[in-house]
Amino acid sequence: DVKVTQSSRYLVKRTGEKVFLECVQDMDHENMFWYRQDPGLGLRLIYFSYDVKMKEKGDIPEGYSVSREKKERFSLILESTSTNQTSMYLCASSSTPLAGEYRSGRNEQFFGPGTRLTVL
Amino acid sequence: KQEVTQIPAALSVPEGENLVLNCSFTDSAIYNLQWFRQDPGKGLTSLLLIQSSQREQTSGRLNASLDKSSGRSTLYIAASQPGDSATYLCAVNPGSNYKLTFGKGTLLTVNP
Repeated sequence: DVKVTQSSRYLVKRTGEKVFLECVQDMDHENMFWYRQDPGLGLRLIYFSYDVKMKEKGDIPEGYSVSREKKERFSLILESTSTNQTSMYLCASSSTPLAGEYRSGRNEQFFGPGTRLTVL
Repeated sequence: KQEVTQIPAALSVPEGENLVLNCSFTDSAIYNLQWFRQDPGKGLTSLLLIQSSQREQTSGRLNASLDKSSGRSTLYIAASQPGDSATYLCAVNPGSNYKLTFGKGTLLTVNP
């Protein structure tokens, strides 16, 4: 059974604190993603990684960094939290189709349970 | 830039009704389209994925269709139940880098 887990369901932090959010997938997927979800704004991509030690900025990378030292693990780092980073953070993973499968349209994205971060 | 719109934003129906949720997208050059369900305070659960070459996919009481040329997808839910109450999101995958573009969702309430 497909599984993406996130290190915490709820976190409360004070402004200026450093936060690590960890995501682990057990499907041997190449691609991993970090999103944030806010009312009225929907899901927005923060960063994604398509291989170990590889990363690309998403739509809203400011104030965040990421780390991917192992294939199964993708961490989101908030170096100095601010109140506008209060949000639901969602991690996801997907596979990269094999060369012959590219046109198949597969590579379903699977999500973790989310971490609700509140910054006071 | 791809934009995804879901209408209506909220829908309330009595139990047992068949219903359709709509998703439209502006760029028809897509790799696939995925429908998700999200319960309050939870993550997203993948319901159906339609590949660009497909017209529809079915899973139990759910049927999703895709019309790339008109930039539309629909999610049909048959014989709705209170347990179907959730937010339903559609997401388009452009293919080149697997980044999804999401709609803002339809909040469905099924009343007993």
